[in-house]
Amino acid sequence: GENVEQHPSTLSVQEGDSAVIKCTYSDSASNYFPWYKQELGKRPQLIIDIRSNVGEKKDQRIAVTLNKTAKHFSLHITETQPEDSAVYFCAAREYGNKLVFGAGTILRVKS
Amino acid sequence: GAGVSQSPSNKVTEKGKDVELRCDPISGHTALYWYRQRLGQGLEFLIYFQGNSAPDKSGLPSDRFSAERTGESVSTLTIQRTQQEDSAVYLCASSPRGGIADTQYFGPGTRLTVL
Repeated sequence: GENVEQHPSTLSVQEGDSAVIKCTYSDSASNYFPWYKQELGKRPQLIIDIRSNVGEKKDQRIAVTLNKTAKHFSLHITETQPEDSAVYFCAAREYGNKLVFGAGTILRVKS
Repeated sequence: GAGVSQSPSNKVTEKGKDVELRCDPISGHTALYWYRQRLGQGLEFLIYFQGNSAPDKSGLPSDRFSAERTGESVSTLTIQRTQQEDSAVYLCASSPRGGIADTQYFGPGTRLTVL
């Protein structure tokens, strides 16, 4: 089955800097890759996603890139703000619409 | 409209007791998922329901875990003879059609503590 690895496990950046979180997946058949943000004690919420037929997608300060050949995808957050502080999870959808999640990255934005 | 709701929000139980966790998906969503999130860890898939199809139970960790769903509405996750390692937040999610790029909307979770 699918295996998703996520790095780094924690990331501290200064307000205004960029943050990059990387994930690798094992199953070349996976075709959909969402990113979720989870604030402390709250439910995960989708922030951006990408399908396997697209290499990059951007939504304001957030972008996701996908390299199908290398089987990795990354989340890029520019001009970070304190409210970006949260745990971020990547996921890959394998057969049967099942999402396999990475272990998460704790992002701290220092003001 | 209303999002995914779960009850109870917190459940404390003694080792060996059975527990039932409830999920109310967004109205009209045909797909429903259960995940487990241990403290400081990622989301672990448990089970997936899609319409009237047989559920995908491949993530259930043992036969103590089971789940049911009535049509396209409420789902209950049952854990029998609870163990301390079952302590976690149990999250439910629903999506409109269970399609390839369907967004999964999560509920607030049930925090289960097994003493």
